[in-house]
Amino acid sequence: NAGVTQTPKFQVLKTGQSMTLQCAQDMNHEYMSWYRQDPGMGLRLIHYSVGAGITDQGEVPNGYNVSRSTTEDFPLRLLSAAPSQTSVYFCASSPTAGGPETQYFGPGTRLLVL
Amino acid sequence: AQSVTQPDIHITVSEGASLELRCNYSYGATPYLFWYVQSPGQGLQLLLKYFSGDTLVQGIKGFEAEFKRSQSSFNLRKPSVHWSDAAEYFCAVGYTGGFKTIFGAGTRLFVKA
Repeated sequence: NAGVTQTPKFQVLKTGQSMTLQCAQDMNHEYMSWYRQDPGMGLRLIHYSVGAGITDQGEVPNGYNVSRSTTEDFPLRLLSAAPSQTSVYFCASSPTAGGPETQYFGPGTRLLVL
Repeated sequence: AQSVTQPDIHITVSEGASLELRCNYSYGATPYLFWYVQSPGQGLQLLLKYFSGDTLVQGIKGFEAEFKRSQSSFNLRKPSVHWSDAAEYFCAVGYTGGFKTIFGAGTRLFVKA
C-alpha cells in the first residue's frame, strides 16, 4: 500500500493563479480531509469528505474548493491564489469519520504564493 | 467549543533525559485523545491514542500518555529521550458524532547531546 500520496511536493504560484493539489489514498477509506499547517497555529481543517459525493467545510474554507468523485481521490483547488495561502498542505484519510479514528497523513505540499 | 492547548511552543532536553509534553483539552464529554509526531519535512504519524479504558496509554517508540479527566490533560512522556526523537509533537482531540479532529499548535522538541 502506498497509503496517502500528495502531488506536487513543492509549488510556487503568482498571485491570482489557480492550481489543484492532488491527494489519493489506496486504503479504501471513507473519510478524507485537507489541512493547512502554519507556524504556531497547528493544523487547521480546510474541507473534509465523509464519502464519495459528500464534502463539507472545515475551519478555514475560504479560497478553496474540493470535490470527491471517487473514494480514492480528494483534490483541493485554489481558484485565485493569494499570499495568505502560502502554507504547507496535508491531506489525511481515515476508515470512517471522526471519533476515535486514526488519521493517516500524506507527506504534504509546500506552497509559496508570490 | 472543543479546543486543545499545548502550552510549550518548544522544549529542549538532553539525550537520555526524561520528557513530558503537556496537553490540555476543552470538551464537555469524554474525548478521544491523540498524540501525533511530525519529523522534519514529513507528514504526521500517530504515536498513541486514548478512547476508553486504562488511562495510561502505551504508544510506539517508547512513548506513553496519561489521561487525567480531573485536569483535562493528556500529557505525553518518555523516560529516556533519543536524538531521533527531535520532531514536532501534536496533541489532538476527537469526539463522538464529530467529523473533525482538533489539533493543538504543536510543541517542537530539540534534543541536545
